[in-house]
Amino acid sequence: GDSVTQMEGPVTLSEEAFLTINCTYTATGYPSLFWYVQYPGEGLQLLLKATKADDKGSNKGFEATYRKETTSFHLEKGSVQVSDSAVYFCAPHSGGSNYKLTFGKGTLLTVNP
Amino acid sequence: KAGVTQTPRYLIKTRGQQVTLSCSPISGHRSVSWYQQTPGQGLQFLFEYFSETQRNKGNFPGRFSGRQFSNSRSEMNVSTLELGDSALYLCASSLAGTPTRDTQYFGPGTRLTVL
Repeated sequence: GDSVTQMEGPVTLSEEAFLTINCTYTATGYPSLFWYVQYPGEGLQLLLKATKADDKGSNKGFEATYRKETTSFHLEKGSVQVSDSAVYFCAPHSGGSNYKLTFGKGTLLTVNP
Repeated sequence: KAGVTQTPRYLIKTRGQQVTLSCSPISGHRSVSWYQQTPGQGLQFLFEYFSETQRNKGNFPGRFSGRQFSNSRSEMNVSTLELGDSALYLCASSLAGTPTRDTQYFGPGTRLTVL
């Protein structure tokens, strides 16, 4: 089945710092890749996704590029804000008749003013 | 459009009891998935329902069960509660349950505490 290794947190940054959260995956075939975000006290929200190799997903200043050769989907943002403080989850999905997402352990990001 | 709603938001139960959690998906969505979130295990898939049929089940004991009604609302039940069942239970809905094509929308979760 699908599996994912995600950078362990917590990560603490100052506002306007550069963010990278590493994610590597194991999946059959050509999976789609997702980043979800969970703000305090809320459920998960889809942040971005990429469905094929070399695709770049982007949203709210966050980006991640699907690297099939390194089986990675690292999340980056050039300048974080306090409002980005949340837990970030990476998730591959192999598709087909498998309807579940396999999530990483999550990375807690805290951004200080 | 209203989001995914889960009731109740908080529950406190004692060991050995049973509990039922409810999830109302976004209107028009036919797929409902359930996940358990704990600090130790992270997010783990419980099961997924589509048009009242369970299509996938995670690696949880038979004490965990669910169902989906004709209006797509879903319930999950946990019998003979154990301390380790304390968790945030998240429900997610999507049009057809295929993550590659549909976006899953998550509810705020039900926080279950077992004493």
